[in-house]
Parts: sequence; structure tokens; C-alpha cells
Amino acid sequence: SYELTQPPSMSVSPGQTAKITCSGDELPNKFTNWYQQKPGQAPILVIYKDSERPSGIPERFSGSGSGTTVTLTISGVQAEDAADYYCQSADSSDTWVFGGGTELTVL
Amino acid sequence: EVQLVQSGPEVKKPGESLKISCKASEHSFTSYWIGWVRQMPGKGLEYMGIIYPADSDTKYSPPFQGQVSISADKSITTVYLQWSSLKASDTAMYYCARFDEYSFDLWGQGTMVTVSS
Repeated sequence: SYELTQPPSMSVSPGQTAKITCSGDELPNKFTNWYQQKPGQAPILVIYKDSERPSGIPERFSGSGSGTTVTLTISGVQAEDAADYYCQSADSSDTWVFGGGTELTVL
Repeated sequence: EVQLVQSGPEVKKPGESLKISCKASEHSFTSYWIGWVRQMPGKGLEYMGIIYPADSDTKYSPPFQGQVSISADKSITTVYLQWSSLKASDTAMYYCARFDEYSFDLWGQGTMVTVSS
């Protein structure tokens, strides 16, 4: 089955830039979305269609891609950005798939 | 503002059946696909399947095909996730989410299902 690969965890200091990657063979051909999930809460969409930002999401969140890897970038990380982040895309049959998630720690 | 409101937590025994619900606050709900996502304790998100309430067209992710049933009642803007025989491994939080612009842009609050003897 198709898999999206994310680093399990990463840590950054406040004010620094966090880059969370997601790799998958179909990513050049499919849109990627990113979700933020804080403990005890439902996920929220932070980036859709590779690089679009929903209303209400701070400008410090951005998305980009290169080949089989896409990246969620959080510029000027704030303490409130500590959360789990999941990428989501589709396989060749257009079945949706989530990455394993990345736990972002803000030191 | 559209909301997805899910039914409350459930505690069941192995072998029992269960149907949980996800109700939209607006009738425009029928114009969107609604998906279900599983999150087992301490684990990541898993896409289960999706339904178009207007005509009940349904698609399942292969690991969940035959394991659960997704249905909808458009007259009451409600989508359901159903099990005929629960297993302990079905213990998880289940989220419904609206699908729009190739993404799940609106999520329910989640329903915790605990299966234990």
C-alpha cells in the first residue's frame, strides 16, 4: 500500500524556522494537504492544494514541494505551534492517505 | 458557520454492533463529500472512507473495506459509521470531516469508541 513518510519528531526554538517534510512517490502528481493536531483536539487544516492557506491560518505557515518531497514550513515558530503535523495526499487510485505524523516540539 | 457535530463516546463489548453519527448544521452538507478518519490511541490519522450524502456514493480505503459501513441520511444531514461486530482493535477516536478543495477542511469533534470485555 502507498505510504507517505514523515520524520517522527523534530524540535525548534521559538523564532526559528521549522521545515517538516513528507515523501511519497505520487506527490509530484497529487495535491498535498497539511493538518495540525494539538493534544485532545481534532485536526485543523493549515495548508491545502500544496501551498494554499485557509482563512484564519497565520502567514507563517507555508507549503512547497520538489519532486517526491513536499515541505511544510513554519517561519518564526511560536510556542503555540507545538503540535503533531500530518501530511495527506492520494495514491494512484485517488484513495486518500495520511503520513505518519511529525511531533513538533518548541523548546 | 457550518459545524459537524458527532455523537458521544461509546463503550462496547467485543462482538457488539455500533453506529456513530456525524450531523451537519446546514443542508449544504449534501453538496460535499464527508469522510471518516480513525485515530487509535497514541497513533496517527488513518483515512477510512468517504460518502457523498446527496446520492450515498461511497468509497472505502482498502484496509477498511468490509470492516465498516458508511451511510447517510440527507433528510437529517447526518452521516453514519457502523460496525456489525466490534473488536478490541476498533478502540479509537473517530472523526468525520468535510471534503472540499481536495482537503478535509472542516472536522467534527471526534467520537471515542472503547471496545473492552
